[in-house]
Amino acid sequence: AQSVTQLGSHVSVSEGALVLLRCNYSSSVPPYLFWYVQYPNQGLQLLLKYTTGATLVKGINGFEAEFKKSETSFHLTKPSAHMSDAAEYFCAVNTGTASKLTFGTGTRLQVTL
Amino acid sequence: DGGITQSPKYLFRKEGQNVTLSCEQNLNHDAMYWYRQDPGQGLRLIYYSQIVNDFQKGDIAEGYSVSREKKESFPLTVTSAQKNPTAFYLCASSIQGEETQYFGPGTRLLVL
Repeated sequence: AQSVTQLGSHVSVSEGALVLLRCNYSSSVPPYLFWYVQYPNQGLQLLLKYTTGATLVKGINGFEAEFKKSETSFHLTKPSAHMSDAAEYFCAVNTGTASKLTFGTGTRLQVTL
Repeated sequence: DGGITQSPKYLFRKEGQNVTLSCEQNLNHDAMYWYRQDPGQGLRLIYYSQIVNDFQKGDIAEGYSVSREKKESFPLTVTSAQKNPTAFYLCASSIQGEETQYFGPGTRLLVL
C-alpha cells in the first residue's frame, strides 16, 4: 500500500523567505510523485511531478522539488515566497495502479509581510 | 478551451434526497475520477472509471453511485444513504496510462 505524510498542516513564512513544505511517502514500488496547489474554493492545479530521470524537478511559479529515494522524501521548495503563494499544497503518490493517486492531508501556506 | 467543468458550483441537499453532481471533460481523456475533500483530510477517492461503461469503487464509495455512459461525462450521485455528505467534491481526468490527473473546479455540497 502507498501512503503520503505531509509534516505541518500550517506553515507561515515572511514574504521573500524560503518556502519548504515537507512530504514523505511510502511505496513498495518506484513511485510517481506530485505536488498540487489549491486556492480557496478552487480545484487542484499541478505544480510539478516526478516520474523518472532527473531527481530535481522544476515546476511552475518558481517551485521545485527533489526526489530522495534514500529518505523517501519529495519536499517542495521555493527560494523566495510571494504573497500570491498563499494556498494549500498537496503531495500525492501514484504507483501505477489504474493511475490512482494517494494524497497527503495538505499543508496550508501563509505568507506574511 | 479544453478542460473539465463541474456543475453546479454550490449544491444544497435536503434530508433523504438524492443529488447528482455533473462532471464533463473535453480533453478526450479515458479515465475519470471523483474525490471528496474534507478539511484536514486531504482528498479521498470515491469512484473511478478507466473506460466507458466500466467503473470501480474507491476508498469511500458507500452512499455514492456513478455512471459512465459517455467518455466525456462521469456524473456522481450522492444518495440518501450517505449520512454525512457535506464536503467539497472534485472531479479529475487523465489519459490512460499516464499518471497525471487534471482537476475540475469542484462542487460544494451543503445539507439543509
